[in-house]
Amino acid sequence: EVQLVESGGGLVQPGGSLRLSCAASGFTFSSYWMHWVRQAPGKGLVWVSRINSDGSSTSYADSVKGRFTISRDNAKNTLYLQMNSLRAEDTAVYYCARRQGSSSSIAVADYWGQGTLVTVSS
Amino acid sequence: SSELTQDPAVSVALGQTVRITCQGDSLRSYYASWYQQKPGQAPVLVIYGKNNRPSGIPDRFSGSSSGNTASLTITGAQAEDEADYYCNSRDSSGNHCVVFGGGTKLTVL
Repeated sequence: EVQLVESGGGLVQPGGSLRLSCAASGFTFSSYWMHWVRQAPGKGLVWVSRINSDGSSTSYADSVKGRFTISRDNAKNTLYLQMNSLRAEDTAVYYCARRQGSSSSIAVADYWGQGTLVTVSS
Repeated sequence: SSELTQDPAVSVALGQTVRITCQGDSLRSYYASWYQQKPGQAPVLVIYGKNNRPSGIPDRFSGSSSGNTASLTITGAQAEDEADYYCNSRDSSGNHCVVFGGGTKLTVL
């Protein structure tokens, strides 16, 4: 069974940093691209970042570019999101999601974690 | 970057057919995927590609596309289909980015 379990969320002050983790199991993690998607309270889904299967290629939404860094450790089956210079508008539930497979569009996310809440507030 | 536009809210009578649409320039080049999200839950993929359903998704869900518009159709809507629905697609910027629509709240009357 495919499982994605996020952790690392919490309360952080504006300007602070936080690192999210997403532990993957039930599939060959090193074969799949991964995404981070966030959802502010009461708002819609917003794509944040993606990383290819070996970690050599990444992309970011303009709103986080230069502040967030996506990475992965295939030996540990874990995806990360390092978030620096956090702002109030970064407050959201952060989901990790698996790209369906190399034959599908990069936008198709077939498995999602339950999310971890990040609150940026003083 | 690209944008995808969805109607904020749509309603349907129980057992009737409803279409939820998603518009954007990226849809001229890339298929939309559709996700269902119920309160307090993670999104669930319901349609991807030309018109593909993941295992476990009822066949009352279908997808289509024309020009810059993608559609999710629910034929014979059930009470359990009441949820938020989001489209997404690959961004047309060429940077392997992704864009989501703003979401549509579906109410089943």
